[in-house]
Amino acid sequence: QVQLVESGGGVVQPGRSLRLSCAASGFTFSSYGMHWVRQAPGKGLEWVAVISFDGSSKYYADSVKGRFTISRDNSKNTLYLQMNSLRSGDTAVYYCARALGPKLGRYFDYWGQGSLVTVSS
Amino acid sequence: QTVVTQEASFSVSPGGTVTLTCGLSSGSVSTSYYPSWYQQTPGQAPRTLIYNTNTRSSGVPDRFSGSILGIKAALTITGAQADDECDYYCVLYMGSGIWVFGGGTKLTVL
Repeated sequence: QVQLVESGGGVVQPGRSLRLSCAASGFTFSSYGMHWVRQAPGKGLEWVAVISFDGSSKYYADSVKGRFTISRDNSKNTLYLQMNSLRSGDTAVYYCARALGPKLGRYFDYWGQGSLVTVSS
Repeated sequence: QTVVTQEASFSVSPGGTVTLTCGLSSGSVSTSYYPSWYQQTPGQAPRTLIYNTNTRSSGVPDRFSGSILGIKAALTITGAQADDECDYYCVLYMGSGIWVFGGGTKLTVL
């Protein structure tokens, strides 16, 4: 069965960096685009970034553009989110999600359980 | 900046029917926005309900259906049950590799 397991979250000071990972199993990882979606405490879902199946295309929400980088290692079946210059507003649970549809997909079908990132001094 | 709109809250009686909507701050939602719907209970990851406007995800009961109603995407729940009480989110594909979620609807079944 499809499994997505995020890791790497924690407490980090403003201005510092953190890298999240999402380990995928149960499907051919290299055939699917992947997304990061976040949810601030008590708030709604916010789309963060997407990467194509081969890593050749990447897109970001304006709120993270220039600070976050999405990447993948298909040999390790792992998705990453490098988060730099973190702000208090980046505090959230970060979910990875598999894209459904060609190349970048148009929907999300499977979701991980999330990893909490807290930006605080 | 395009905003995706959803009702903040909605209430339905057990066994009743409710339609949640997903609109745009400017313009109409069409199938070209590839609307999809997600269900989330507190403390849990989202669950995919509907994609491609009206296709149910695997395992989703046929009480849940998606459509375009007028200028909005819609999620209709028929025969509402107590465990349908949770948050519902729509998301639209804006093109150029950008997705935007609605603010979510908190559904109460009482």
